[in-house]
Amino acid sequence: GQNIDQPTEMTATEGAIVQINCTYQTSGFNGLFWYQQHAGEAPTFLSYNVLDGLEEKGRFSSFLSRSKGYSYLLLKELQMKDSASYLCAVMDSNYQLIWGAGTKLIIKP
Amino acid sequence: IAGITQAPTSQILAAGRRMTLRCTQDMRHNAMYWYRQDLGLGLRLIHYSNTAGTTGKGEVPDGYSVSRANTDDFPLTLASAVPSQTSVYFCASKASGSSDTQYFGPGTRLTVL
Repeated sequence: GQNIDQPTEMTATEGAIVQINCTYQTSGFNGLFWYQQHAGEAPTFLSYNVLDGLEEKGRFSSFLSRSKGYSYLLLKELQMKDSASYLCAVMDSNYQLIWGAGTKLIIKP
Repeated sequence: IAGITQAPTSQILAAGRRMTLRCTQDMRHNAMYWYRQDLGLGLRLIHYSNTAGTTGKGEVPDGYSVSRANTDDFPLTLASAVPSQTSVYFCASKASGSSDTQYFGPGTRLTVL
């Protein structure tokens, strides 16, 4: 079966750095996406990785290792507005997105 | 630019009733999707459409139907609602490429009693 695993909840301090991990087992791989979802709102796109390595975009970076079936999202200089759920999704061999259950990130002052 | 709109925002429905959730996009995206999101579970694909005139079944299609008469609209119909269909429903769209981002509508919160 297809499976995306990420921690249910994480807590971090304002100004700090946090890493959210995602491991996956899917039928095929055509890229990995990270989305941010604030409570009561729609998911919004953060990053896309299809090749191994690190993609940096401002305070957010995403890493991929295809051989390990592993990705992480790194958030630097945390702000209170970063409190949200972070969703990991893998595009499978049918070009459909398989979604993890999301990681709820709580930022404390 | 509106992006994707969904209607209604929320709805309380009696079991057994028929309901259509509306989704409209103005980005001329070829592909559109319907997901449901339940607490503790990831987004689950209900139905999708890769282009106008075609539809396909996702992971959880039972009890739902869709149509794609044109590029912009992708309604989702519950023929006879059941309480297990209580969920938040998101419509999404994307352009054609595999790396293209899916853009989501604001969601419809549906409660079936």
